[in-house]
Amino acid sequence: DAGVIQSPRHEVTEMGQEVTLRCKPISGHDYLFWYRQTMMRGLELLIYFNNNVPIDDSGMPEDRFSAKMPNASFSTLKIQPSEPRDSAVYFCASSPGTGILNTIYFGEGSWLTVV
Amino acid sequence: GDSVTQMEGPVTLSEEAFLTINCTYTATGYPSLFWYVQYPGEGLQLLLKATKADDKGSNKGFEATYRKETTSFHLEKGSVQVSDSAVYFCALSNNAGNMLTFGGGTRLMVKP
Repeated sequence: DAGVIQSPRHEVTEMGQEVTLRCKPISGHDYLFWYRQTMMRGLELLIYFNNNVPIDDSGMPEDRFSAKMPNASFSTLKIQPSEPRDSAVYFCASSPGTGILNTIYFGEGSWLTVV
Repeated sequence: GDSVTQMEGPVTLSEEAFLTINCTYTATGYPSLFWYVQYPGEGLQLLLKATKADDKGSNKGFEATYRKETTSFHLEKGSVQVSDSAVYFCALSNNAGNMLTFGGGTRLMVKP
């Protein structure tokens, strides 16, 4: 079975440009997560969805960040306008459920550089 | 709130040495505990997990035991290989919320 699929794998963009990161979760998983990884702050949960509905977006840094999940097989994380401090690896992850089903599976990440 | 504390790295070992990476946690209730591994340039992969006290998770020669009395989940391996060089993350999930709280990660470097 395919894992969590993210695109693009690498993105270099200029400050002020819009960036859109995409994610396809594992089929049948009800939960989808967006994480950000930086050297300074480690792994941070930005937002997560349950059955396509945003449940907790308290980790989203500011209004420049937005995330959507229009259907069970697709999610986007958008940064507009982008800034150099947004440079990080952004991971999408999914899990089948809660309790004993709460193992979270990660994609390979989108490596973003804003210059 | 929930938190996970790991020993800071990097940890540098020679091949075939014994590995311990310490992890302690603070959480309400009875969380599930995880170790994830991140190889260079890749995403996080689940290494092992334990869902209740005294459970032992094991995979690829690694193991960790859920110790509720000491709120710990230390990762061990009897004989490391160069291919084990990676960053290791301890994490917990509050079963009610299904969110992962990560430790800061520990970089392991194994030399031939």
